[in-house]
Amino acid sequence: DIQLTQSPSTLSASLGDRVTITCRASQNIITWLAWYQQKPGKAPNLLMYKASTLQSGVPPRFSGSGSGTDFALTISSLQPDDFATYYCQQYHDYPWTFGQGTRVEVK
Amino acid sequence: QVTLKESGPALVKPTETLMLTCTVSGFSLSDPRMSVSWIRQTPSKALEWLANILSNDEVSYRASLERRLTVSKDTSRSQVVLTMTDMDPGDTAKYYCARMGGDSGELTFDSWGQGTLVTVS
Repeated sequence: DIQLTQSPSTLSASLGDRVTITCRASQNIITWLAWYQQKPGKAPNLLMYKASTLQSGVPPRFSGSGSGTDFALTISSLQPDDFATYYCQQYHDYPWTFGQGTRVEVK
Repeated sequence: QVTLKESGPALVKPTETLMLTCTVSGFSLSDPRMSVSWIRQTPSKALEWLANILSNDEVSYRASLERRLTVSKDTSRSQVVLTMTDMDPGDTAKYYCARMGGDSGELTFDSWGQGTLVTVS
């Protein structure tokens, strides 16, 4: 199975901060990577696919980058609605796997 | 509007068989651009993909769980059914169904159900 390792596990930040979450794959997944946001008690919500393509309706303050094994999700200016947990997911190979999550909390 | 909704028992005993139903609306299970997956989230918040069913009824399973899982669908009723045998307390999780494909056509989950919490005890 392809392992995805996110860092950090928890990120403390303030409104307006630029924040970056990284996701490292255990093997080359080209750009077959997605990012999701999850809020407490809710299902995950797709933010990004193919590493850097924004899902329809997602604010442009979210951006994605990377290829191969190293990827990043960046929020350019943290908004109140962005405090949540973020997961990466690879769809290069079965079984599709997720990172362990990064919680973005208020500093 | 695309919706998915899971239903099934909240509590099952060890060794019992779990059956969950995902009822979808806003898209057809016969649309070749779409498929439906089952994903679970453990109490520690880890997400684990379990299985995916295509419009042609082809199913892919997580290899480590394949012997315990069966997924089928009833297109006319817009339902996807997950069966998991020999339930164990380690299977306690929130179970989601999610649509794969959507407008992007990517193998990503663009719509999710609300999830159903299953406790094995």
